[in-house]
Amino acid sequence: SAVISQKPSRDICQRGTSLTIQCQVDSQVTMMFWYRQQPGQSLTLIATANQGSEATYESGFVIDKFPISRPNLTFSTLTVSNMSPEDSSIYLCSAGQGGEEKLFFGSGTQLSVL
Amino acid sequence: TQLLEQSPQFLSIQEGENLTVYCNSSSVFSSLQWYRQEPGEGPVLLVTVVTGGEVKKLKRLTFQFGDARKDSSLHITAAQPGDTGLYLCAGAPSGTYKYIFGTGTRLKVLA
Repeated sequence: SAVISQKPSRDICQRGTSLTIQCQVDSQVTMMFWYRQQPGQSLTLIATANQGSEATYESGFVIDKFPISRPNLTFSTLTVSNMSPEDSSIYLCSAGQGGEEKLFFGSGTQLSVL
Repeated sequence: TQLLEQSPQFLSIQEGENLTVYCNSSSVFSSLQWYRQEPGEGPVLLVTVVTGGEVKKLKRLTFQFGDARKDSSLHITAAQPGDTGLYLCAGAPSGTYKYIFGTGTRLKVLA
């Protein structure tokens, strides 16, 4: 199993600013993903964080808005740039090992944009 | 776009009742997973089903993977208030490691 620490756990931000969310895994993992979860909704995949290369984004998400870093096999960051109230959501980091067919999740970052 | 549709979307039942949650797709998945999420936490894996027709039991929870590997079900026997939460199915379409999540079923079990 993997334990994922995500911070901050919550933040209230002003429109037009940016927030960087950090995700630390207690062991090396091959896969890391970032998801968004609107209140009461399911999870939507934002991107796959690739170690040492650019992240792979899903339809509707772009690098300029959600830049992602993954410098090594245990750490990743997601930045929400130029925020608007529509970005208010829960952002979740997850990790897994290729072939093991299971994901572990952080507790999420609850973001509110005023 | 490959979707995982869950039904029902909401379910409120009395303690002791049985229930079934369904997860359906038009696509084939190499495996499907079921997670439960509680408020303020990330989803936690309950089970992974891999083989078409497979049935797995976890105490009062029974999971089934459809023969064609396009659907799955979760059956809870004698539900308890501790079963309350958001139930999510998830899968990586064949040939990828990119997990997509179902639309979710919010379960509330009343004491």
